[in-house]
Amino acid sequence: QSALTQPASVSGSPGQSITISCTGTSSDVGNYKLVSWYQQHPGKAPKIMIYEVSKRPSGVSNRFSGSKSGNTASLTISGLQAEDEADYYCCSYAVSSTVVFGGGTKLTVL
Amino acid sequence: DVQLVESGGGLVKPGGSLRLSCAASGFTFSSYSMNWVRQAPGKGLEWVSFINTDSNYIYYADSVKGRFTISRDNAKNSLFLHMNSLRAEDTAVYYCARDGAGAVAGTLLDYWGQGTLVIVSS
Repeated sequence: QSALTQPASVSGSPGQSITISCTGTSSDVGNYKLVSWYQQHPGKAPKIMIYEVSKRPSGVSNRFSGSKSGNTASLTISGLQAEDEADYYCCSYAVSSTVVFGGGTKLTVL
Repeated sequence: DVQLVESGGGLVKPGGSLRLSCAASGFTFSSYSMNWVRQAPGKGLEWVSFINTDSNYIYYADSVKGRFTISRDNAKNSLFLHMNSLRAEDTAVYYCARDGAGAVAGTLLDYWGQGTLVIVSS
């Protein structure tokens, strides 16, 4: 149950697009279409942004999109806004019915 | 509105025990699987455990297997985490989270509580 690998930080200017990668293995990301992404603001509970690789829950902006290729999943945020500044975590179902999170990526909006 | 309210956190000595509770409201609790997820101070999220609707399927992270026990009481709309043999590395905010997609662990954690802090220290 090793954590998925995410970049520690990414940054972008308002209006730009950024992509956060999430690399796992064939035991998790690579073998299941069950990757989700969570946004967490300081002192707050996480919020679901993407599930099952690319599905958006009701109420989540269409500026957020997800994809997967092989063992790597990605979250793209287009039209960056100040309120997007937060920590982002990927998450995947894994073998033996376990769940593994990524280490988290801090997004800074410049 | 869906609400999840955790309680039971606090300061406990290494080797001690604690029971966390999560009170659910605003949805049919018995129809949803549930998870516990924790976050050590300044660190990332770590999945802890999953329980399905009728408690037939229960899974744990390797880091807590054999020490923690997840359970639920559908009649009381409550989720529990019994924690034994606590270690310093168990210090974290513990969140309960609803699994909105069904019987597969961690697929869609669509609602989270605000968390309860557990500190393991002598």
